[in-house]
Amino acid sequence: GNSVTQMEGPVTLSEEAFLTINCTYTATGYPSLFWYVQYPGEGLQLLLKATKADDKGSNKGFEATYRKETTSFHLEKGSVQVSDSAVYFCALLNNAGNMLTFGGGTRLMVKP
Amino acid sequence: DARVTQTPRHKVTEMGQEVTMRCQPILGHNTVFWYRQTMMQGLELLAYFRNRAPLDDSGMPKDRFSAEMPDATLATLKIQPSEPRDSAVYFCASGLPGPLEETQYFGPGTRLLVL
Repeated sequence: GNSVTQMEGPVTLSEEAFLTINCTYTATGYPSLFWYVQYPGEGLQLLLKATKADDKGSNKGFEATYRKETTSFHLEKGSVQVSDSAVYFCALLNNAGNMLTFGGGTRLMVKP
Repeated sequence: DARVTQTPRHKVTEMGQEVTMRCQPILGHNTVFWYRQTMMQGLELLAYFRNRAPLDDSGMPKDRFSAEMPDATLATLKIQPSEPRDSAVYFCASGLPGPLEETQYFGPGTRLLVL
């Protein structure tokens, strides 16, 4: 079956540091890949997505590239802010296009 | 600004009581998902509706949980009887119409505590 594996957190960084959160997946075919973000006390929000190999999703300074050869979709940001503190979830969409499989989430804490 | 709404936001109840959680999907969305989030299990899909019809509820404990969509503007998740292990945050999400429900929009969740 499909599965998503993320690096365990928490990840603690100082403001303006470079961020990488690793995500790898197992799936058949070519699933669409997503990063969702969950701020404290809120639901998940779509951060970015990529629908085919070598696509790069980007939003709010975050980027992730769909790497078919390494089955990865690592999230990066060049300079994090305190406001980026949240839990980040990597997810894939099944081939039928109707269900997301989520990773376990990675908590990011950014200190001033 | 269209959003998925959920009520109640918080619920504390005693074991054995019935719990009903409600969700209003974004107008025009034809897919609705119920998820449960716990520290131990992470995010789990409980049920999935398209055009108000349940398509998949394999992730839901059938003996005590039930999910329905009485109409296009309301989805409900009921637990009867509730147990302490049901304590979790329950999220509803709705999706855009079309063959691929790629983007799911999440509500703020219902935080349930069963004592």
